[in-house]
Amino acid sequence: DTAVSQTPKYLVTQMGNDKSIKCEQNLGHDTMYWYKQDSKKFLKIMFSYNNKELIINETVPNRFSPKSPDKAHLNLHINSLELGDSAVYFCASSPQRGGKAFFGQGTRLTVV
Amino acid sequence: GENVEQHPSTLSVQEGDSAVIKCTYSDSASNYFPWYKQELGKGPQLIIDIRSNVGEKKDQRIAVTLNKTAKHFSLHITETQPEDSAVYFCAASNGGSQGNLIFGKGTKLSVKP
Repeated sequence: DTAVSQTPKYLVTQMGNDKSIKCEQNLGHDTMYWYKQDSKKFLKIMFSYNNKELIINETVPNRFSPKSPDKAHLNLHINSLELGDSAVYFCASSPQRGGKAFFGQGTRLTVV
Repeated sequence: GENVEQHPSTLSVQEGDSAVIKCTYSDSASNYFPWYKQELGKGPQLIIDIRSNVGEKKDQRIAVTLNKTAKHFSLHITETQPEDSAVYFCAASNGGSQGNLIFGKGTKLSVKP
């Protein structure tokens, strides 16, 4: 069983569109995250959720909105996509904030 | 906030040699230091971690050392193999109310057969 799974694996879309990326973890963890990895491989934290509450938002544009229907899911919704949003987005989870994190396989988003 | 610096950005070694990657962190409150390996097209995978109450930890060919005073920690891989080729990331966190894993910029390790 996959511990952290995200869908889709690849997403190609036009500028201005709205898209969502889904993430699910079956580890029973309390905290989930979204990270963005750019073309230089830099991993930057975007959001973290603990017990369904957003606890950190690292200066991400408000076009990005995380949505957590329950503890096992943290979806990422992006409005009005821009070329600069092209990147690989990783979902992760950990038992507690800042602890051992397990990553999904990533979603490669390409905005054309 | 926490800032993690990682060196070198690229590292090439011959199979069987050792590889060392170094990281420094800025927040003295950080107490958890994991290392991740990312293979092409995959997500980062935890390979080893260390907490601030420990100076060194080993797992087969991989070891991590931590110097809290100097605020730096290192990954050591001995007897490297071609399958060790990947991008390696260090990270640090303090696990507090604003605790998050902050990553270094990565080291691309190439092991030549």
